[in-house]
Amino acid sequence: GNSVTQMEGPVTLSEEAFLTINCTYTATGYPSLFWYVQYPGEGLQLLLKATKADDKGSNKGFEATYRKETTSFHLEKGSVQVSDSAVYFCARANTGNQFYFGTGTSLTVIP
Amino acid sequence: DAGVTQSPTHLIKTRGQQVTLRCSPKSGHDTVSWYQQALGQGPQFIFQYYEEEERQRGNFPDRFSGHQFPNYSSELNVNALLLGDSALYLCASSLISSYGYTFGSGTRLTVV
Repeated sequence: GNSVTQMEGPVTLSEEAFLTINCTYTATGYPSLFWYVQYPGEGLQLLLKATKADDKGSNKGFEATYRKETTSFHLEKGSVQVSDSAVYFCARANTGNQFYFGTGTSLTVIP
Repeated sequence: DAGVTQSPTHLIKTRGQQVTLRCSPKSGHDTVSWYQQALGQGPQFIFQYYEEEERQRGNFPDRFSGHQFPNYSSELNVNALLLGDSALYLCASSLISSYGYTFGSGTRLTVV
């Protein structure tokens, strides 16, 4: 089937800590993969993406590498800030640009 | 450059009623997709419109219908509302030729 599984939260970190949010997918072929972020009361914003195997998406200090051998797209950031507090969604797209989202991981960064 | 605009932002309806949600896509985008996001869950794909036709549909009943207008704006209609339809409804626009969306801020629908 087509699904995305991501690490359950909530995750609470101190400022400047290292962040990893795990994401794995099931799909036929090699879908495009995305991370979206949702701040309270807002819609989803694209954080980064990768469209083929071994691609690394990066933005605002966040990174994720498309690993086809482990069907994973884990999100990482070396030093989180309070402003990174949000819900993070991993997603994959089918050829028709229909997205399958994970259930989201809530991140809270404390000063 | 305006992003995706949705209206209304909040709505309260009674079970059994009908509701219409509206979406204006980002300038230059030709495709509109609708998603339902229940509390604490990821968005679920409802359907996608391009050239005023429904191109893809997720696993939602026929009570959910839509429309796309010549100016690319779109409506989502839900008939015979159920309590379980309470959710954040997100509109996302894109170009038919590319992956990825620009999302609106959503309409929060509460069915009582």
